[in-house]
Amino acid sequence: GDSVTQMEGPVTLSEEAFLTINCTYTATGYPSLFWYVQYPGEGLQLLLKATKADDKGSNKGFEATYRKETTSFHLEKGSVQVSDSAVYFCALSDKETSGSRLTFGEGTQLTVNP
Amino acid sequence: EPEVTQTPSHQVTQMGQEVILRCVPISNHLYFYWYRQILGQKVEFLVSFYNNEISEKSEIFDDQFSVERPDGSNFTLKIRSTKLEDSAMYFCASTEAGLAGVSYNEQFFGPGTRLTVL
Repeated sequence: GDSVTQMEGPVTLSEEAFLTINCTYTATGYPSLFWYVQYPGEGLQLLLKATKADDKGSNKGFEATYRKETTSFHLEKGSVQVSDSAVYFCALSDKETSGSRLTFGEGTQLTVNP
Repeated sequence: EPEVTQTPSHQVTQMGQEVILRCVPISNHLYFYWYRQILGQKVEFLVSFYNNEISEKSEIFDDQFSVERPDGSNFTLKIRSTKLEDSAMYFCASTEAGLAGVSYNEQFFGPGTRLTVL
């Protein structure tokens, strides 16, 4: 079945450091890929998405590129801020139509220190 | 901005009791979902619901679980006889229905209900 694997965490960085959180997936067909973020005490919020190979999703300075050849969707940000401290989840959906389940990775806790 | 809401934020119950978790999806959305996250583990899909019936369910969603859309706004998850291992954060989500050839598969999540079974 479908699966998502994220880099082991937690990750602790200083403000303005470069961030990479690795994500690889296994799926049949051509999934859509997502990064969700969960701030303390809140629900999951969509951060960015990509629906086909070579698409780049971007939002709030975060980027991720859908790499079909390496089945990866790594999250990057050039300069993190304290406010980026949260848990980040990589996820996939194996259909492009509504109604299909999301399969999540383990989540990566990011802490950014001033 | 429209959002998914869930009540209660925290539910404590005794093992064997029935609980109902409530969700109000975004008003023009037609697909609804429940997920759960056991502390320290992955977010896991439970069930999806469309047009007043279950469209997909996971192996976790056994006969102890049921979902219902009792009126035009609420979407509920019922656990008939709670077990200790049902303790988790339960998330509701909703999404728009897609038009042919257009992807609307972004799921909008509520803040979750923390269920504690004693």
